[in-house]
Amino acid sequence: AQTVTQSQPEMSVQEAETVTLSCTYDTSENNYYLFWYKQPPSRQMILVIRQEAYKQQNATENRFSVNFQKAAKSFSLKISDSQLGDTAMYFCAFMWAGSYQLTFGKGTKLSVIP
Amino acid sequence: DARVTQTPRDKVTEMGQEVTMRCQPILGHNTVFWYRQTMMQGLELLAYFRNRAPLDDSGMPKDRFSAEMPDATLATLKIQPSEPRDSAVYFCASGLRGTNTEAFFGQGTRLTVV
Repeated sequence: AQTVTQSQPEMSVQEAETVTLSCTYDTSENNYYLFWYKQPPSRQMILVIRQEAYKQQNATENRFSVNFQKAAKSFSLKISDSQLGDTAMYFCAFMWAGSYQLTFGKGTKLSVIP
Repeated sequence: DARVTQTPRDKVTEMGQEVTMRCQPILGHNTVFWYRQTMMQGLELLAYFRNRAPLDDSGMPKDRFSAEMPDATLATLKIQPSEPRDSAVYFCASGLRGTNTEAFFGQGTRLTVV
């Protein structure tokens, strides 16, 4: 079974600064995907970024980027130029390509301070 | 724009009552998931369907929970009888297996059983 661990229950960052959220996972599979989802107070789960395990290049989406270390089974999310709208719960998730099921971490509550 | 629609958004019910939550997946998606979110357990997969057939419902308490897809545009999750420990946010998500790994989430149903 796969597990996903987010070791930071809460974090805060000043507006316009950069913050990094940590995620580690455990799997014996080789073909999988990793995701970061954002959940603002509205409850909506929004996909932030996706990484295919077979790709060595780290994924980027505007102000969001990941540091994917496959050997270390680490998948951190960096948010640059933090904005007030980034305040939310952030969930790291794992999906084995053979199952199409998401396994989520417990989440990190991020607060962006004006 | 295409989105997953869940109803009701919020539901308060008395212990012992039947609860039905509905989900309209994105048109054309062939996979539907039900997740439950609680503070203690985080996001857990309850069941998922592909082409309307249940593939995995091992995460669901069988004695009181049931999930069905009467047609391609409707998925239901029923709890009968409901108990206070069922209080949670229930998410439906849909995706298109084979072309895209992303799961699109609805806004969830917040269930409170008193």
